[in-house]
Amino acid sequence: DQQVKQNSPSLSVQEGRISILNCDYTNSMFDYFLWYKKYPAEGPTFLISISSIKDKNEDGRFTVFLNKSAKHLSLHIVPSQPGDSAVYFCAAGASGAGSYQLTFGKGTKLSVIP
Amino acid sequence: ETGVTQTPRHLVMGMTNKKSLKCEQHLGHNAMYWYKQSAKKPLELMFVYSLEERVENNSVPSRFSPECPNSSHLFLHLHTLQPEDSALYLCASSLGQGVSNEKLFFGSGTQLSVL
Repeated sequence: DQQVKQNSPSLSVQEGRISILNCDYTNSMFDYFLWYKKYPAEGPTFLISISSIKDKNEDGRFTVFLNKSAKHLSLHIVPSQPGDSAVYFCAAGASGAGSYQLTFGKGTKLSVIP
Repeated sequence: ETGVTQTPRHLVMGMTNKKSLKCEQHLGHNAMYWYKQSAKKPLELMFVYSLEERVENNSVPSRFSPECPNSSHLFLHLHTLQPEDSALYLCASSLGQGVSNEKLFFGSGTQLSVL
């Protein structure tokens, strides 16, 4: 049973437009959330995170929104650039569990078309 | 460069072979992890070490044997694997202080093929 779901395996966006990647979770114990980006032949790299006490966190072109009641988070990339083409993983953790275990989604492959 | 180095990058082995994956982190972190990424599946946590002590073992078959001799090095010893064990094996590290929003730093992974 997947606790973190990324229902879109892939997404194509025109350069300069907004990319919106979505993630849903089922475990109400999750209280912090992270997005990782992965290029081919490389490991995932941390992109942005959000704690459950916030509903938005922004870092440059990247913004993560959290809707706790809907158990949904999204990553917005504005404006999208060709270098953003990668697989994006959503991850969730429960701080009360000692923070050692992150649960990951399957990933969404983003293609930004020049 | 994430500060986490994995070797080898690629490995092909037969089901009767014994091989080891190596991970080294240069970040001064206290926790190290092995993850498995199979095709079209989420990353699965296999093992967690904190200060060289195993704290998490997610019901991984005994044909996978981790070793953490110090806080900078982590090994995954493989023996009598099955073809379904073919996957990308990722090592990661973190500060390991058990705080919220703790970030994992990943290596590039070892792409393993079991024939």
